Amino acid sequence: DTAVSQTPKYLVTQMGNDKSIKCEQNLGHDTMYWYKQDSKKFLKIMFSYNNKELIINETVPNRFSPKSPDKAHLNLHINSLELGDSAVYFCASSQDWREAPGTQYFGPGTRLLVL
Amino acid sequence: GQNIDQPTEMTATEGAIVQINCTYQTSGFNGLFWYQQHAGEAPTFLSYNVLDGLEEKGRFSSFLSRSKGYSYLLLKELQMKDSASYLCAVIDSNYQLIWGAGTKLIIKP
Repeated sequence: DTAVSQTPKYLVTQMGNDKSIKCEQNLGHDTMYWYKQDSKKFLKIMFSYNNKELIINETVPNRFSPKSPDKAHLNLHINSLELGDSAVYFCASSQDWREAPGTQYFGPGTRLLVL
Repeated sequence: GQNIDQPTEMTATEGAIVQINCTYQTSGFNGLFWYQQHAGEAPTFLSYNVLDGLEEKGRFSSFLSRSKGYSYLLLKELQMKDSASYLCAVIDSNYQLIWGAGTKLIIKP
């Protein structure tokens, strides 16, 4: 059973398009995250939700909008895609974010290429 | 600002021992993690230190000194499959996880 799953794994699209990435976890965790890993391999937190509530909202363009319909899902919608959005996007989940925020389980990543 | 420093790349020989260092300057400290990331894959959890000292887990050990803002990951009996990036991450006072850029470890036969 896949603990944290993301779809799609690969996404190639044109500049200006709108796209969504979906994430689901079956671990019963309370907290979910979205990270962006750029070509220099830095993992940058974008958003974090705890029980469907936004708890971390880093300085990202408002073209990025997370949506958490329930605590097992955290989707990422991106409007008006730009070349600089090309990266690998990882979804992750963990137990209560105060107790063990670092023991995160990562999804396989979505490789986004904007042309 | 918050900062985590790790060497960019290291090379070691199969069967040998390698130590990957991590120094950090963060606003507060609530724990330090090491993750392993193979090329093209997601990071996977290796270890967690919150108190000073050495935590051993099989071939991997992690050490922490909070007063020095320093940690290392020790890998023994290196195997080719250990070739990966090793990411150091610190939980700050706001319970946010601050990530280093990772150390790419190359294992040679």
